[in-house]
Amino acid sequence: QKEVEQNSGPLSVPEGAIASLNCTYSDRGSQSFFWYRQYSGKSPELIMSIYSNGDKEDGRFTAQLNKASQYVSLLIRDSQPSDSATYLCAVRISGNEKLTFGTGTRLTIIP
Amino acid sequence: GAVVSQHPSRVICKSGTSVKIECRSLDFQATTMFWYRQFPKQSLMLMATSNEGSKATYEQGVEKDKFLINHASLTLSTLTVTSAHPEDSSFYICSASAGVVNTEAFFGQGTRLTVV
Repeated sequence: QKEVEQNSGPLSVPEGAIASLNCTYSDRGSQSFFWYRQYSGKSPELIMSIYSNGDKEDGRFTAQLNKASQYVSLLIRDSQPSDSATYLCAVRISGNEKLTFGTGTRLTIIP
Repeated sequence: GAVVSQHPSRVICKSGTSVKIECRSLDFQATTMFWYRQFPKQSLMLMATSNEGSKATYEQGVEKDKFLINHASLTLSTLTVTSAHPEDSSFYICSASAGVVNTEAFFGQGTRLTVV
């Protein structure tokens, strides 16, 4: 089992709809959770961080964390074509400095 | 978010030469920096983790003598690809973090290395 799993996609969502991206992780000692967006040919850009169970909202983005189910998700409301990118889920295990990344989900917003 | 500057953004070098890539945290002190490489359409691969003033910790399979990492200050880390070969051509990206507990990691712009 991979440490951090994401559906590779591609995930296609109509413009204006809600895009839902999911991520599961295997280590129950995981403490910090991040979502990064990566455009083709560019480096990842931090979108959201979440450290405790529940929802965290920032503009059109909402991160949801459920540690009991070992599940973290990212919702993008009112999807725009500019949201088309690969979204990387990253997890930091307690006491460990490094982030473990999923392989990413490619999201395409259809105008 | 915090700013991490990576330089150069693109470099072309001849086979057998060495290339140095710099990574700077501009508005925070980065206790830890990470170096990744990424091949087209593939995920990030962590090469090494470096802490200021100490030797880098390399991931399994990464040659420490080929990929020299120096983290001399809290704002600067460098990656030197020594005796580069065409198979080293890749997208190299650094990331910097100010801590471990509940702290975020920010990426530099990346360096596209082409070895000819």
